[in-house]
Amino acid sequence: ELKVEQNPLFLSMQEGKNYTIYCNYSTTSDRLYWYRQDPGKSLESLFVLLSNGAVKQEGRLMASLDTKARLSTLHITAAVHDLSATYFCAVDRRSNYQLIWGAGTKLIIKP
Amino acid sequence: DSGVTQTPKHLITATGQRVTLRCSPRSGDLSVYWYQQSLDQGLQFLIQYYNGEERAKGNILERFSAQQFPDLHSELNLSSLELGDSALYFCASSVLSPEYSGNTIYFGEGSWLTVV
Repeated sequence: ELKVEQNPLFLSMQEGKNYTIYCNYSTTSDRLYWYRQDPGKSLESLFVLLSNGAVKQEGRLMASLDTKARLSTLHITAAVHDLSATYFCAVDRRSNYQLIWGAGTKLIIKP
Repeated sequence: DSGVTQTPKHLITATGQRVTLRCSPRSGDLSVYWYQQSLDQGLQFLIQYYNGEERAKGNILERFSAQQFPDLHSELNLSSLELGDSALYFCASSVLSPEYSGNTIYFGEGSWLTVV
């Protein structure tokens, strides 16, 4: 059974700092997604990672994928308050878009 | 705005009742997915349709059913509702069938269901 674990589950940090959210998954998968969710809102697609070594960056967020280690990271550089949200990673089971989700990392960035 | 439209946004109903949640995918998207988000179980995949046909089933209860119509909109029917069915139900869509890589999945705003 595919399991996806995120850590930390809660992160409070100061503006301007860097931090990394980790996403581990238990079985082979060839697609990993990162989403952002604001309280009571929808899920916004951030990144789709498709292969080992894939790295994608958008603004202060950078995501990477190591399929051998079954690990993806979401790195936040020089955090700003607007990045406060819950971040989810999700892994595609058997490449059929049955996404298995991590529990989410609630990120609070203090001014 | 993702382009995926869900109605109703909020719904309060009593135990034992039946409700229907509706989803209109993004224009041109053939795949529709339903997800449930609850505090205790997190995000769970329920079911997926592609161009009117059921493609995959996840943790969907027998009391729940769904369909995708010829105009590609989808409905999720929840019956014999229980308190534990209270959750946020998301519809999502993507343009291609699951065999294609890099296919971003877009989520609607969700339907908040409260069972009292």
